[in-house]
Formats: sequence, C-alpha cells, structure tokens
Amino acid sequence: AQTVTQSQPEMSVQEAETVTLSCTYDTSESDYYLFWYKQPPSRQMILVIRQEAYKQQNATENRFSVNFQKAAKSFSLKISDSQLGDAAMYFCAYRRDLDDKIIFGKGTRLHILP
Amino acid sequence: KAGVTQTPRYLIKTRGQQVTLSCSPISGHRSVSWYQQTPGQGLQFLFEYFSETQRNKGNFPGRFSGRQFSNSRSEMNVSTLELGDSALYLCASSLLTGYYEQYFGPGTRLTVT
Repeated sequence: AQTVTQSQPEMSVQEAETVTLSCTYDTSESDYYLFWYKQPPSRQMILVIRQEAYKQQNATENRFSVNFQKAAKSFSLKISDSQLGDAAMYFCAYRRDLDDKIIFGKGTRLHILP
Repeated sequence: KAGVTQTPRYLIKTRGQQVTLSCSPISGHRSVSWYQQTPGQGLQFLFEYFSETQRNKGNFPGRFSGRQFSNSRSEMNVSTLELGDSALYLCASSLLTGYYEQYFGPGTRLTVT
C-alpha cells in the first residue's frame, strides 16, 4: 500500500529565511502525482504545488519549489523568503493516478518567527 | 465565484446518534470528495462522487455513507456515532473527476460526546 511520511511534525523558520519540509513516500508505481497542500489556521486548505512523476524537472511556483528525487522516493518543499502568511500546516500528498484517491501525510506545522 | 461551502460548521452529537453533513461545491464543479481530519490519523479519504455516482471509497466502515444530488451538492451521513468519529470533515470539489486541483471547503467540526 502506498504511504506518505512527513518526519517533521513541527518546524520554525525566521521571516525572510528559507525552509525545507521533508516528505518521503512508498509506491511501486512508476507514474503518479505528488502534491503539497497548505492549511492555514482556521482557513481552507489550498494546493501549493504539484509534481508529475514522469517529469524530471522540479516544479516551481513563485517562492515555493520542490526537490523531487524519484529513486529515493523523496519530495521536499522549499519555501524561500518566508513570510508570516506562510504559517500553516503543510501536507504532502500522493495520488497514483487522477482517478484514484489522494493519500496524505500527517502534516508539518510551520511557524514563522518575526 | 463562491467557494465550497459546508454546513453546519460546528456540530455536537451524542454517541449512538446519526449526523448528516452537507457540501455545496463551486458552481460548475461536478466532483465532490470527502475527507476526515483528526490529530491522530491526519487526513483520510472517505469517498468521491461524480455525477451522482460514487467513484472511489476509502477504508471506512459502512456507518459512513454519502450521496450526491443532480445539482452536484453532496451529503455525507454517519450513523451510530462513536467517540472516535469526532473530527473535522472536509469537502473538496473539482471541475471533473481526475482533475489535479481540488478546492476545499472550511470543514464541519463534529464533536461526539
């Protein structure tokens, strides 16, 4: 069965600094999709970034980028120039294909220190 | 365009009762998924509906059920509530099934006493 592991339950970073959130997953599939979702306190969860496994190039969305290591089954999220609004719970997620259910990791709570 | 709405936002029920939660997707969206979020288990997929048909189901007991109406609105029902059912129940909609992006609602906080 596919699993997603986020080994850092909580992290803190100074405002304007860079932080990396870790995620590993287990799958026997060669094609799949990976996502990072952000859930701010008392606000709705939103998709931050996605990566298709068949793409070698790491996805980037403004200050958010991923380091996708397919062989190592690792999918980390890097947030550059951290802002107070980045404080949230971040979930790593896996989807075998777009018709399949999404499997989420337990989440990493990110604190931004002013 | 209005976002995903969920009603009620908060609910307190007693063990053994049943509960129905409602989700209205973004206008034009036809796929609705439900998730249970707890501190211990994290986010777990319950089921997905598309065009009034259940397309996927997670590993939850039969006490958890859902349905989707012709206007894409969805309801989920939990019968014979247990203390462990206390959770935040999230609904997410997408334009079609199999789309990358799901838009989440604010959730319904269910407390079972």
